[in-house]
Amino acid sequence: TQLLEQSPQFLSIQEGENLTVYCNSSSVFSSLQWYRQEPGEGPVLLVTVVTGGEVKKLKRLTFQFGDARKDSSLHITAAQPGDTGLYLCAGDGNGNNRLAFGKGNQVVVIP
Amino acid sequence: EAGVTQFPSHSVIEKGQTVTLRCDPISGHDNLYWYRRVMGKEIKFLLHFVKESKQDESGMPNNRFLAERTGGTYSTLKVQPAELEDSGVYFCASSQTTSGTQYFGPGTRLLVL
Repeated sequence: TQLLEQSPQFLSIQEGENLTVYCNSSSVFSSLQWYRQEPGEGPVLLVTVVTGGEVKKLKRLTFQFGDARKDSSLHITAAQPGDTGLYLCAGDGNGNNRLAFGKGNQVVVIP
Repeated sequence: EAGVTQFPSHSVIEKGQTVTLRCDPISGHDNLYWYRRVMGKEIKFLLHFVKESKQDESGMPNNRFLAERTGGTYSTLKVQPAELEDSGVYFCASSQTTSGTQYFGPGTRLLVL
């Protein structure tokens, strides 16, 4: 079983602050994805990282894949209330597209 | 283009009853997946269809769960008889290729009393 541990589980910050959340595993993943989920909806893909050490940016969101492809981080610069949501990381360990998810990082940005 | 749709959005049933969940994937997506999130736990894979064939059903909890995808279009997931621990959110996802991006539906929230 490939386990993905996400930390912190819950994070509340003021608008304009920066934040970083983490996704760690003891397993190597061929790719790792970050999703955002809002209440009553399904996860929406934000980014996929494939190469160890890879950094991808999506506006104010920066995603990094660890060199060993076991962990990842998501950094949000100048957080906005619209960034509020549950951020999920999911890994594809064997290239079979069977995703293993973490429990998520619940982020709340207070106006 | 319509996204993945799931029906019903919510279902409340009593223990021992039967419930059938439906998923309509994005048109043209051969790959269809079912996942489940039980309260307090992470989203877990249940099974994967390629067209009408079950590619991987290793995540199915037990034989009370039956998934079908007749004709390779929409899929149903039947739980019979439902137990209390079956409560959770059931997500469906589809992808164009086996290694492609999975697009998730809004989920069906199942509560077994």
